[in-house]
Amino acid sequence: GENVEQHPSTLSVQEGDSAVIKCTYSDSASNYFPWYKQELGKRPQLIIDIRSNVGEKKDQRIAVTLNKTAKHFSLHITETQPEDSAVYFCAARGDYALNFGKGTSLLVTP
Amino acid sequence: NAGVMQNPRHLVRRRGQEARLRCSPMKGHSHVYWYRQLPEEGLKFMVYLQKENIIDESGMPKERFSAEFPKEGPSILRIQQVVRGDSAAYFCASSPGVLGAYGYTFGSGTRLTVV
Repeated sequence: GENVEQHPSTLSVQEGDSAVIKCTYSDSASNYFPWYKQELGKRPQLIIDIRSNVGEKKDQRIAVTLNKTAKHFSLHITETQPEDSAVYFCAARGDYALNFGKGTSLLVTP
Repeated sequence: NAGVMQNPRHLVRRRGQEARLRCSPMKGHSHVYWYRQLPEEGLKFMVYLQKENIIDESGMPKERFSAEFPKEGPSILRIQQVVRGDSAAYFCASSPGVLGAYGYTFGSGTRLTVV
C-alpha cells in the first residue's frame, strides 16, 4: 500500500518567517495530495490540495509544490503568524482512501 | 449544511464492553471513511464504505471491529470487547464522490477511553 513519510516531526519558527514541511510517497500512481491542519482537540481541516497534473498551487500565504518524478511534495507557509501553530498532515491518495503522514507540529512564536 | 456529524464526542467504556461510534456524512455525500488517531500519531485508515457496501476494510483489525453504512441512518463503527489499546480518537470523513475528484471533510471525532 501507499507509504507517506513526513518531515520534520516538529518545527519552530519565529513569527514572520517561512515554514516548509516535506513529504514523500511510494505509489507512483497517486494523483491527489491534500494537506490538513489540525488544532488541538479539533478536526483535521483541509487547507490546500494539489493534483498530479500541476506542479505548484498557491493560496495566499500557503503554497504546495509537487515533484512526481521524485515522488515528493512540500507545503510552504510564508509570513507565519501565531495562529498558524497546529499539527499539519500531508496525505496521498491510495487505492481507495487517503494515507497520511505522521504530522508536523508547527509552533510559531511571537 | 451541518457538516459531518459524529457522536458521541467522548465515550468511556470498561474493558470488555462494546463501543458504538456514529457518523452522519454531509448532505449529498455517499462515501464514508473511518480513521483512528493515537496520541502523537497520524491518521490511520480503517475502512471505506458506500451506502450498504464495504469497499475497503484493509485497515481494520480482523477481530472485534466492524463497520456498516446502512441505506438509512448513520455509519456505525462497532468495537466489541474493548481493550485499553483501543483508546484513541476515531474520525470519520465523507466525500460526495470518488477520492481524487473530491477531497474529504472530517467530523469532530469521537474520543474513546477504555478504563
